[in-house]
Amino acid sequence: DAGITQSPRHKVTETGTPVTLRCHQTENHRYMYWYRQDPGHGLRLIHYSYGVKDTDKGEVSDGYSVSRSKTEDFLLTLESATSSQTSVYFCAIIQDRDSTEAFFGQGTRLTVV
Amino acid sequence: AQKITQTQPGMFVQEKEAVTLDCTYDTSDQSYGLFWYKQPSSGEMIFLIYQGSYDEQNATEGRYSLNFQKARKSANLVISASQLGDSAMYFCAMREGRLDAGNMLTFGGGTRLMVKP
Repeated sequence: DAGITQSPRHKVTETGTPVTLRCHQTENHRYMYWYRQDPGHGLRLIHYSYGVKDTDKGEVSDGYSVSRSKTEDFLLTLESATSSQTSVYFCAIIQDRDSTEAFFGQGTRLTVV
Repeated sequence: AQKITQTQPGMFVQEKEAVTLDCTYDTSDQSYGLFWYKQPSSGEMIFLIYQGSYDEQNATEGRYSLNFQKARKSANLVISASQLGDSAMYFCAMREGRLDAGNMLTFGGGTRLMVKP
């Protein structure tokens, strides 16, 4: 299994509070992704990174920011959590442009109350 | 516009029969890759199969095969000899290889497959 760890695995937070989710990899893969999964919507891309300090927005980036200060860590921050951000969040990594497999973390279940 | 479309929200298949899960995609890139993932009720994402846009042969992995029709922009997953353990959500995904795209990886909405005994 690829060395990819998401933390925390579960979190309950209050509306308006900041939340940071961490994706950590030991594979030295270049590309990292954050998705949210909601019933009826599949996995929707929030942000992704193609290198240290190189990030770009996905299709549902509003309300989220990311940072990648080193290869192994990709952080997703909800600056002020809202109930609509209650979801399961997945991190994924891809080694290089021509990779034939993406590896996923176990997911983080976030509940905003 | 959606990049990946899975038109079957849910499907039933009889155990031991074959089933096809549909996936169509939209890209203007010449170089891209197509993936299928399985997500059982436990929630983890399990890689099944990959097809590159330049691959001339359809990909196969055990009971899984990918029916790749490039001109129609479709990449359907075929599962042969369905088993009860195949009951899960199935996601189609596309990696776009544009130099300015940062290797974006986007997913379809998924198909829930239920295998009947």
